[in-house]
Amino acid sequence: DAGVIQSPRHEVTEMGQEVTLRCKPISGHDYLFWYRQTMMRGLELLIYFNNNVPIDDSGMPEDRFSAKMPNASFSTLKIQPSEPRDSAVYFCASSRQGRNYGYTFGSGTRLTVV
Amino acid sequence: DAKTTQPNSMESNEEEPVHLPCNHSTISGTDYIHWYRQLPSQGPEYVIHGLTSNVNNRMASLAIAEDRKSSTLILHRATLRDAAVYYCILRDVNPNAGKSTFGDGTTLTVKP
Repeated sequence: DAGVIQSPRHEVTEMGQEVTLRCKPISGHDYLFWYRQTMMRGLELLIYFNNNVPIDDSGMPEDRFSAKMPNASFSTLKIQPSEPRDSAVYFCASSRQGRNYGYTFGSGTRLTVV
Repeated sequence: DAKTTQPNSMESNEEEPVHLPCNHSTISGTDYIHWYRQLPSQGPEYVIHGLTSNVNNRMASLAIAEDRKSSTLILHRATLRDAAVYYCILRDVNPNAGKSTFGDGTTLTVKP
């Protein structure tokens, strides 16, 4: 199993541009989570999906952020327009449903908005 | 969301055991205790989890207090590769019941 795959690993963009982060969860996992990590705020849960349906997006900072999961093997997190304060490492994680499973995280996308 | 409290940092000598504490006094009956660690420049990595009984796996042991208000992650022989940030979180058996919140974790330094 290749694990949770995120792309790109690094993204540098100018303020105002649209940014799309991608995630491929582990096959068979029912849950997908998007986290953001900064020095100031630590790991923050932005949104999570169950069977491709968004369950809780209360962590999405504002309307500039949107996430989709069109099928069980792909999810995107989009920021439009991007701002310097969005600079962070964005992690995707997936999990099976049930008591015996933890999260598996991807390697993250380091986003820098200049 | 039920919260956890961990010391900001701990130090250990290589080859010695390490006990990383976590307080979760507001834990509910359906919350599992999960531990993750994050090595530099990597995503968090699952370590171990449990509900009521102590748990062992190849990475670590988890000791859970009888009242479940605290737990301890035990690394039996710390190595330099165990230097990381360790997070203790609570996860409801029904994930749709609420979010798991990562706190600041404990930064473990292992000295040779």
